[in-house]
Amino acid sequence: AQKVTQAQTEISVVEKEDVTLDCVYETRDTTYYLFWYKQPPSGELVFLIRRNSFDEQNEISGRYSWNFQKSTSSFNFTITASQVVDSAVYFCALSEENSGYALNFGKGTSLLVTP
Amino acid sequence: DTGVSQNPRHKITKRGQNVTFRCDPISEHNRLYWYRQTLGQGPEFLTYFQNEAQLEKSRLLSDRFSAERPKGSFSTLEIQRTEQGDSAMYLCASSPQGSEQYFGPGTRLTVT
Repeated sequence: AQKVTQAQTEISVVEKEDVTLDCVYETRDTTYYLFWYKQPPSGELVFLIRRNSFDEQNEISGRYSWNFQKSTSSFNFTITASQVVDSAVYFCALSEENSGYALNFGKGTSLLVTP
Repeated sequence: DTGVSQNPRHKITKRGQNVTFRCDPISEHNRLYWYRQTLGQGPEFLTYFQNEAQLEKSRLLSDRFSAERPKGSFSTLEIQRTEQGDSAMYLCASSPQGSEQYFGPGTRLTVT
């Protein structure tokens, strides 16, 4: 069963628009971590953020922000004032203590930002 | 550059041949992971090592696949008797224990 669901396959926005990428996860562990990775056209996965299951505080880093809600098992990612360089595939991932913290990735959301 | 490196970056092989990929992790990271990514999908976990010990293998890792990390530093992933379905990007990642994983650029395998 898919443990991480990214329902949005593709999103297209115009530069300077805000965009939110959705992520819903499923786990029975009490200790787990959630991640977002960016995969630009060059192909290399770039780490963006890690949150642990005990820390529900939202986080902001420049134009990026993340909203973690355990009540809805969601970990959404918002890009404010999007730029063309944000065009990439974004993956949400879950790692669980009982599986050695191996990453379970969602299928990814392809974001296209046009000028 | 002290990031994760992988060699070769591209490999084209004929069905039935054996191939071996190498991953050099970030030096102080004791965990090393292998993933496979096919077009349009997220990476899928194959196996991981803590130091030289292989601690978990996915059911995706058939008997034709073997991975080693002999001295707890670099790792190799070998595929024997390759099949067309093995064509994918093979990704390596390393991490300090329980922390975020940093990925290498991957090895793209094409089986003809």
